[in-house]
Amino acid sequence: GENVEQHPSTLSVQEGDSAVIKCTYSDSASNYFPWYKQELGKRPQLIIDIRSNVGEKKDQRIAVTLNKTAKHFSLHITETQPEDSAVYFCAASYGGSQGNLIFGKGTKLSVKP
Amino acid sequence: NAGVTQTPKFRVLKTGQSMTLLCAQDMNHEYMYWYRQDPGMGLRLIHYSVGEGTTAKGEVPDGYNVSRLKKQNFLLGLESAAPSQTSVYFCASSYLNRGRPGELFFGEGSRLTVL
Repeated sequence: GENVEQHPSTLSVQEGDSAVIKCTYSDSASNYFPWYKQELGKRPQLIIDIRSNVGEKKDQRIAVTLNKTAKHFSLHITETQPEDSAVYFCAASYGGSQGNLIFGKGTKLSVKP
Repeated sequence: NAGVTQTPKFRVLKTGQSMTLLCAQDMNHEYMYWYRQDPGMGLRLIHYSVGEGTTAKGEVPDGYNVSRLKKQNFLLGLESAAPSQTSVYFCASSYLNRGRPGELFFGEGSRLTVL
């Protein structure tokens, strides 16, 4: 079946450093790649997404890159802050036009002051 | 505007009991979903609906049933609960963005424990 692999499972950085989370997907028809952030005890919330016709997208300190040939995409957070500490999930669409999402297993990011 | 609301937020069941989780959204979204979240497993899709009166299976549908009788509501049922169904359940809804589902809006989650 379809699969999304996410690495690393945990990531610890010092405040101000950059953090990179990487995902690979299996369905060559995937065309939508969102990233969700889930703070402890809270619901997941979309932070950024990218569609297959774009190679990179930025939103302030957050950027996502997509390599469709290699079937991988990455989340980059620059100038990390303690409030960036959370679990981050990547996802990829599958199933054609329905666009259902397969989620990665998550990366727990800890930003140390 | 409450967004996506799930009830109940917490529930403890005994093996074999049945229950229904209710999800309600006030954003007029077409698509609705039920996910379960287990430690280290991410979010896995149980069932979803692309419109009133329609439902479909996701990745892990066994042991669950759903209904979407009204556009704003999506019900998840467990007919005979098992300990393996202990999990946090999230409902989500989304709109159509250029003909495809857009951002998922999640509810606060429902923590279910099956003893």
